[in-house]
Amino acid sequence: GAGVSQSPSNKVTEKGKDVELRCDPISGHTALYWYRQRLGQGLEFLIYFQGNSAPDKSGLPSDRFSAERTGESVSTLTIQRTQQEDSAVYLCASSFEVSGNTIYFGEGSWLTVV
Amino acid sequence: KQEVTQIPAALSVPEGENLVLNCSFTDSAIYNLQWFRQDPGKGLTSLLLIQSSQREQTSGRLNASLDKSSGRSTLYIAASQPGDSATYLCAVKFAGTASKLTFGTGTRLQVTL
Repeated sequence: GAGVSQSPSNKVTEKGKDVELRCDPISGHTALYWYRQRLGQGLEFLIYFQGNSAPDKSGLPSDRFSAERTGESVSTLTIQRTQQEDSAVYLCASSFEVSGNTIYFGEGSWLTVV
Repeated sequence: KQEVTQIPAALSVPEGENLVLNCSFTDSAIYNLQWFRQDPGKGLTSLLLIQSSQREQTSGRLNASLDKSSGRSTLYIAASQPGDSATYLCAVKFAGTASKLTFGTGTRLQVTL
C-alpha cells in the first residue's frame, strides 16, 4: 500500500479483555516501530523491529504487552487483560533502515478500555 | 537522560505571520532530527528530516535548522495559513539508541483569520 496501515482504527473493550492491534508497514521497509500516545501526552516508544534481528522491547510498559512481526511484513501488538490506563492511541511507523531515513506513521489505533 | 523539549507549548498567530518553533535536546550525539505535524485525531505526518551532518532542510514554506553543538533545532514557517494549525512535534534519534525516536511534547499552533 501507499502508507502505513493500521487496524482497527477504533476499539472499545471491556477491562480485562485481550486486544490485538495490527500494522501493515510500507512495502520494503525493514524497520517497524510501535508508539503509544495517551490523551494530551507525548509519544512513548514501545517496541522496534529491524529485519530479522531481535526486537528492542525496552519500551513495553508491562508483561501484558507483547508484539510480533514475521520478517518484514505485518506486525501485531497484543495487550492482555486490558486496564483503563491502557486507553490511548497506538501508533505504528516504518522506515527503510534504522538510522538514516524518514519514519512514516500510520493513522493509529484508538483504544478505549471501559 | 536523553530528552527533547519544545517551547512554546502553544502558540496563536494571525494568518500571514512568519513564526518559529523551537526544539532543544540534551545530547549532541544524534543520528538525525525529524519534524512532524499531527492533526487532531490523526497520525503523524513527516515534514522534514535533518541528518546529523546537515545544517538545514527546506520544503516549501518550511525551513528546519539544526545546531548540534547547542542542542537546538528550529522550524520556521513562512506566511502562515489557517491550514497550518496543528501540533508540531520534534523527534530526535540519539546515537546509541538507533532503534527509537525520542519525541518532544509538541507545540500546538493555531493560525487565526
